[in-house]
Amino acid sequence: GAGVSQSPRYKVTKRGQDVALRCDPISGHVSLYWYRQALGQGPEFLTYFNYEAQQDKSGLPNDRFSAERPEGSISTLTIQRTEQRDSAMYRCASSLRVDRAVTFGSGTRLTVV
Amino acid sequence: KNEVEQSPQNLTAQEGEFITINCSYSVGISALHWLQQHPGGGIVSLFMLSSGKKKHGRLIATINIQEKHSSLHITASHPRDSAVYICAVRSNSGYALNFGKGTSLLVTP
Repeated sequence: GAGVSQSPRYKVTKRGQDVALRCDPISGHVSLYWYRQALGQGPEFLTYFNYEAQQDKSGLPNDRFSAERPEGSISTLTIQRTEQRDSAMYRCASSLRVDRAVTFGSGTRLTVV
Repeated sequence: KNEVEQSPQNLTAQEGEFITINCSYSVGISALHWLQQHPGGGIVSLFMLSSGKKKHGRLIATINIQEKHSSLHITASHPRDSAVYICAVRSNSGYALNFGKGTSLLVTP
């Protein structure tokens, strides 16, 4: 596609529910990143994929968070048993290669009530 | 302590002024990015630098690898430049981009 597409744009969920956030990167982009951004803060790294390989997951805050990119294109970030502190903007970004400029998606605003 | 520090946190300027935003980092890096976040929330990549200087229109970005410092300059600032400017670095030992907290710029007419 023309840009990085994320869905849904907004997600409100009850505490304890699982959520899945989707990222469709720019076609041909090898590198894919997930970030989380709290209000008034800069983005915080969660995880990185090179094709389908999850090469860095050091930023995932705990084992409720997981991500996959099974065919090296679309990626899903899953949060299990959501908590209020998980509320944030979740952003996906992709780049042609790890040493190239990144393009960010518009993000998914997650609110846990 | 964040690996990436930006200054100032907030900046108000009058239209036409020359603006400088600074970024200091503490680790060895393979690349530094300057990003612009609009009031609506979208993030746009402005520059990616590993050395020297880059220019695009009224925007200039410089980096000094030895001093671990980068600056973003805006010449002849305009109200439409109002946004949050974010510095992010990729360390030379990983894949993650580590972000500064951003500089909120307001340019008044």
